[in-house]
Amino acid sequence: DGGITQSPKYLFRKEGQNVTLSCEQNLNHDAMYWYRQDPGQGLRLIYYSQIVNDFQKGDIAEGYSVSREKKESFPLTVTSAQKNPTAFYLCASIGLNYGYTFGSGTRLTVV
Amino acid sequence: DAKTTQPPSMDCAEGRAANLPCNHSTISGNEYVYWYRQIHSQGPQYIIHGLKNNETNEMASLIITEDRKSSTLILPHATLRDTAVYYCIVSPSISNFGNEKLTFGTGTRLTIIP
Repeated sequence: DGGITQSPKYLFRKEGQNVTLSCEQNLNHDAMYWYRQDPGQGLRLIYYSQIVNDFQKGDIAEGYSVSREKKESFPLTVTSAQKNPTAFYLCASIGLNYGYTFGSGTRLTVV
Repeated sequence: DAKTTQPPSMDCAEGRAANLPCNHSTISGNEYVYWYRQIHSQGPQYIIHGLKNNETNEMASLIITEDRKSSTLILPHATLRDTAVYYCIVSPSISNFGNEKLTFGTGTRLTIIP
């Protein structure tokens, strides 16, 4: 089945530590997105990529970094510069027929 | 992309039709209306989309007003599993997909009452 796979499902980070969240898709979609969701809030865009080797900042990019070396993969690194990283992170890609396809998310907690 | 306005919360009795409104008064002529829902701690799930005609699939119906400034998502026979946050978003034309950053608001929290 085609879809988006995010891993890990749960991630714990110590303060001052960088962590990388994985996002892989086998849908052959060009555009991929990372969102952050805080409890009771909507989705806020962190970064997006329309094509391999290119990406743009979203509304809350500070403290995050991404890469897009392959069409299938769009990993997100949460750096130590992100002061409040505890949140639910969602990866998505866009196709022609159904708009967004989302992964199942990664819940990051700072311990 | 055009912004949307949705009520923050709604209740619906189990077995009844749930009607979720969305206002998108600044929608452009080639923009689609998409509906997604998010069950707690999961990624949003696609429900339905439309341009100007009413649409129906196995999950829901979408009614778009003639002026396209608002729409209503209808879940015909709501079940407890339909309890979720429902997002209405407006996207650029299909041919322009991926060229704009899309935003999700806070949606409507629908609670199905037994």
